[in-house]
Amino acid sequence: AQSVTQPDIHITVSEGASLELRCNYSYGATPYLFWYVQSPGQGLQLLLKYFSGDTLVQGIKGFEAEFKRSQSSFNLRKPSVHWSDAAEYFCAVGVGADKLIFGTGTRLQVFP
Amino acid sequence: DSGVTQTPKHLITATGQRVTLRCSPRSGDLSVYWYQQSLDQGLQFLIQYYNGEERAKGNILERFSAQQFPDLHSELNLSSLELGDSALYFCASSVGKGNGETQYFGPGTRLLVL
Repeated sequence: AQSVTQPDIHITVSEGASLELRCNYSYGATPYLFWYVQSPGQGLQLLLKYFSGDTLVQGIKGFEAEFKRSQSSFNLRKPSVHWSDAAEYFCAVGVGADKLIFGTGTRLQVFP
Repeated sequence: DSGVTQTPKHLITATGQRVTLRCSPRSGDLSVYWYQQSLDQGLQFLIQYYNGEERAKGNILERFSAQQFPDLHSELNLSSLELGDSALYFCASSVGKGNGETQYFGPGTRLLVL
């Protein structure tokens, strides 16, 4: 069955530090992969997505993610975190023609 | 602002009752998706409509139903509500049928069943 694992429930970093959020997926075919961010009381905003081609994907707000087929991973990175990046981050895989399967999310806390 | 609107923003009701959540997709989007976000289940896909027709079904209970109208807005009907139905319900929309398209999410409707 298709699934997405985000092993880190909660991550705390200092402002200006680098960030990596982990995501592993299980899916038989080539996946469509997404990272969404959810700020408190808000909906989900797309950060970036991977369909095919270049395995390093650039997104909004200075985020990037790298698709590694051999590791079934799609980790999200940012070289320098800002306090406004504090939010919950969800990795998702597009299954078949329609639905998204989401991971359980990683809550990011940023200290000044 | 994603362009997807949902009403109401908050809803408080009692067990056994029925509620209707409304979603208006982005202009030009033909697909509407419904998701449920709860503490114990996380974010789960419920159902997708494309241009008025049901296209895909996920973990949607029989007590729940949805439809998409000719003007493309969608409604999610939740009946015989239970305490466990308390959750954040998101609507999303995309241009076409899916196929890995970007889904744009609304702000959600927070449902509290007492």
